[in-house]
Amino acid sequence: GENVEQHPSTLSVQEGDSAVIKCTYSDSASNYFPWYKQELGKRPQLIIDIRSNVGEKKDQRIAVTLNKTAKHFSLHITETQPEDSAVYFCAASITGGSYIPTFGRGTSLIVHP
Amino acid sequence: ETGVTQSPTHLIKTRGQQVTLRCSSQSGHNTVSWYQQALGQGPQFIFQYYREEENGRGNFPPRFSGLQFPNYSSELNVNALELDDSALYLCASSPPGSMNTEAFFGQGTRLTVV
Repeated sequence: GENVEQHPSTLSVQEGDSAVIKCTYSDSASNYFPWYKQELGKRPQLIIDIRSNVGEKKDQRIAVTLNKTAKHFSLHITETQPEDSAVYFCAASITGGSYIPTFGRGTSLIVHP
Repeated sequence: ETGVTQSPTHLIKTRGQQVTLRCSSQSGHNTVSWYQQALGQGPQFIFQYYREEENGRGNFPPRFSGLQFPNYSSELNVNALELDDSALYLCASSPPGSMNTEAFFGQGTRLTVV
């Protein structure tokens, strides 16, 4: 089955800095890669996703890049703000059937004002 | 609000007991998945239900079982509870469509086994 590794487990930045979270996956058949944000005591929420036919996707301060050959993908947050503090999860899945993502272990992002 | 609701929000059980957790899917969503999220970990897939049938299962023992009802709500049952079953249990519902990639999570049920 799919295995998703996520690094770092904790990331501490100053407000305004950029933050990068990296994930690798093992199953070359995976073709959909979502990122979820989970604030303390709340549910995971989808913030951005990328499909395997695209190398990069951007949404305001958030971007995701995908390298299919190396089987890794990254989340980039620019101009971080204190409200970006949360746990971020990457996931990998195969579309076309049941949506069953395999999640990474999460990165706790702390943005210091 | 995503519309996925879970009950109860918190639960304390004793080792060896049985527990039933409930999930109401978002309107129009016919697929429900259950995840176990241990402290400091990512969600681990337990199983998925589609049109009242189990449609995929993760690496969990048979004492984890489920149901989906005609209104697409779902239950997760865990028998013979163990201390390691203590976790946040998340339900996620998805709309119909073979290319569907959206999953809306509920707020979770925090289960503590003592």
